[in-house]
Formats: sequence, structure tokens, C-alpha cells
Amino acid sequence: DTGVSQDPRHKITKRGQNVTFRCDPISEHNRLYWYRQTLGQGPEFLTYFQNEAQLEKSRLLSDRFSAERPKGSFSTLEIQRTEQGDSAMYLCASSLGLVAAKETQYFGPGTRLLVL
Amino acid sequence: AQSVTQPDIHITVSEGASLELRCNYSYGATPYLFWYVQSPGQGLQLLLKYFSGDTLVQGIKGFEAEFKRSQSSFNLRKPSVHWSDAAEYFCAVALYNNNDMRFGAGTRLTVKP
Repeated sequence: DTGVSQDPRHKITKRGQNVTFRCDPISEHNRLYWYRQTLGQGPEFLTYFQNEAQLEKSRLLSDRFSAERPKGSFSTLEIQRTEQGDSAMYLCASSLGLVAAKETQYFGPGTRLLVL
Repeated sequence: AQSVTQPDIHITVSEGASLELRCNYSYGATPYLFWYVQSPGQGLQLLLKYFSGDTLVQGIKGFEAEFKRSQSSFNLRKPSVHWSDAAEYFCAVALYNNNDMRFGAGTRLTVKP
């Protein structure tokens, strides 16, 4: 098992463009999380999947953001019409268990987005 | 309001010295408590977690943390710091019925030779 992987690791885009990030969780992990981390801050929760169902979304996730997890495997996070304020590190994590709050979340290395 | 506070933005210690990183939380009930470490270019890695029971929790890499309910604190400690411990450390909390794990702002640890 190689852990959680994310692609790309870095993305530079111009304001107004759309970007899509991919996360491959640890195989058989049923839960998948997306976080955003800005400089000098801890990760902030964006959204959460249990298998293929998106169960929770943060108020941080504006309507320009959409996430999917088809077939309960990998997940994508798309940002439409990017803004400079979207520049951040986007982290993905996965976990397995019965009680989400108790589970260890395994994090990927993140995708660093810079919007010019 | 619910919050997680790490009062120290940056701490510098000498190699071999002891370390204590502070974490305070403000929640209506005792949450589940975690410490994660983030090294440059690496994903966050769990050091230890506390749910209930013994208030002194042992983790990986020689770290331990103590839960003090009266102080709403969950401080991370290590008796002797190694240069490889230089990283960013995050305290995090989660509630039983909430999938929204909340992180503190982090404490950056620098280790002097």
C-alpha cells in the first residue's frame, strides 16, 4: 500500500480558469476528506465522502467548488472560475472504520494551487 | 464558539532538550483529540490520539501528550528532541457526531544543533 496520493502536486493557473485535482485514497478506505490549508494555518475541512456519497460540505465550499467520488474509489475536486483567494494547499485524507470521528485520517502530500 | 488554539506559532529548542507544545480547546463536551506532524513536502502524519481513559497518551517517535480536562488542554511533549523533529505540529479535535475535524493553526518547531 503506497498511501494516499494526489495529482498534480503543483498547479499554476490564471484567474478565471477551471482546475481539477485528483485524490487516490488508500484502497478499501471508505471515507475520504478534502481540506484546504493556507499559509500559516491548519487544514480547514471542505467536504467528506463515505463511499460514493458526499455526506458533508463546509460553508467554505462555495458553488464554484465541486467534488465527486465515483464508485467510492478516487475523488476529484474541481474549482471553476478560480480566484486568487483560492491559492492554497488542497489536502486529501482517507480513513476506515465505524466511527468517523475516532478514525485515523491518512493524508496525502497535497496539491499546491497558485492562481495568478 | 468552538475553537482549537495553539498559542505558540514558532518554538526553537536545542537538540537533546525537552519539548512541550501547547494546545487548548473550547468545546461544550470533551472532544476526541489528536496531534499531527507535517514535514515539508510530506502529508500530515498522526502522532497520537486521545478518546478516553488514561490521560497520558503515548505516540510514535517518542512523543506523548497529556489530557487535562480542568484546563481544556492536550499538550504534546518529548523528553529529548532530535534534529529530525523539526516540522510543523498541529493539534486537532473531532466530535463524536461530527465529521468535521478542526485543526489548530500549528506550531513550527525549529531544532538548533
